This record gives sequence, C-alpha cells and structure tokens, in this order.
Amino acid sequence: AQSVTQPDIHITVSEGASLELRCNYSYGATPYLFWYVQSPGQGLQLLLKYFSGDTLVQGIKGFEAEFKRSQSSFNLRKPSVHWSDAAEYFCAVGASGTYKYIFGTGTRLKVLA
Amino acid sequence: DADVTQTPRNRITKTGKRIMLECSQTKGHDRMYWYRQDPGLGLRLIYYSFDVKDINKGEISDGYSVSRQAQAKFSLSLESAIPNQTALYFCATSDRADTQYFGPGTRLTVL
Repeated sequence: AQSVTQPDIHITVSEGASLELRCNYSYGATPYLFWYVQSPGQGLQLLLKYFSGDTLVQGIKGFEAEFKRSQSSFNLRKPSVHWSDAAEYFCAVGASGTYKYIFGTGTRLKVLA
Repeated sequence: DADVTQTPRNRITKTGKRIMLECSQTKGHDRMYWYRQDPGLGLRLIYYSFDVKDINKGEISDGYSVSRQAQAKFSLSLESAIPNQTALYFCATSDRADTQYFGPGTRLTVL
C-alpha cells in the first residue's frame, strides 16, 4: 500500500541549531516527493520537490532534502534554524501522471529562543 | 491578491444543515482538489477534478459532493453536516509540474 510516514510528531530545537525532519515512503512507482510547510492559520506552501536527477534538492528558506532510494527516505534538513521556521511540516508523495498525492501526518516544529 | 481563495474562512453550523465551501483560483490550472485536515491525520483527499467535466472521488468522499462550475471554481458541499465533519478544509490547484498550491483553508465546526 502507498503511504508516507513522518515518525516525529513534534520536534523542538534551539534557534541556530541544525534540523532534520524524517520522511519515509512506500510507493510502487517512481515517486515524486515534496515537502510543504504550514504556518499557523495558513495554507500549505511548497518548500521543495524531487522528481529526478540530483538526489540533493535545494528549496526555499534555506531548506534542503535528500532522496535516498535504498532507504525510501526523503529527509528535510536545515543547517541553522530561525525562530520563524516554527511551523508544521508535511512530506508528500505522488507519481508522474497520477496527479494525486499522499501526505504524511506532519511534524510540528518548535523553536526555542 | 491570493492565487487560491476560499470562502468562508470560518463557519459554524448545526448538524443536518447543508453547507457549501467555495474555492476560486486565478492560476489558470486545470486540476483542483479538496482536502480535509484533522489533527494527527494530515491531509486526506476528498475529491479532485482534472477539468470541468472530470471529477473524481478521493479517499474520503462519503458525505461530500462537489461542483466544478468553471475552470476557476470548485465548490465542496456537505449535504447534511455531521459533527465528525468538523475539520480544516483546504482547496488546492496543481500545475503540470505537479506542484500544488493551497488556499488558506476553511475552518468548519459542526455542532
């Protein structure tokens, strides 16, 4: 069955510390992978996406993610977190031509001053 | 101006009432979606539409219906609202690069 797992429901980091949010997927076809961010009271905004090619993807706001096919993972990273990064983060997977997406349950990030 | 707008932003209604949530987009995308978000469950797809004449059920369509009035408009209806339909509802569009663009959401409470 197709699924996306974000094992961490909540993560707390100090401002300036590095961040890694985990995402694992199960998908029969070659996946398209996405990370979205949802700030309080807002809709979801795309951070980055992976379709093919270089497995290290750069996104907005200083985020990056690495696709590891052998581990079925697409973890999101940021070297130095800012207080404004506090939000909920969603990993999603889809496939070319299907135009449907499966979302993970989200990881809520708290940033300590 | 926002590319994807949703009205209303908040709504409180009573069990058994009919309610419509509206979505409009100015991105010119053919594909539109309705999701609901519940705490701990992420986003779940209710309905999706690839063009005005193509509407498809998602994973949780029971109790919901949709109407694609035009390329830019996609409405979600709850014919007889029930309390477990209390949730945050999002409309989204997607481009041909498979990137989704979300509206700000409608917070619906069914008493």
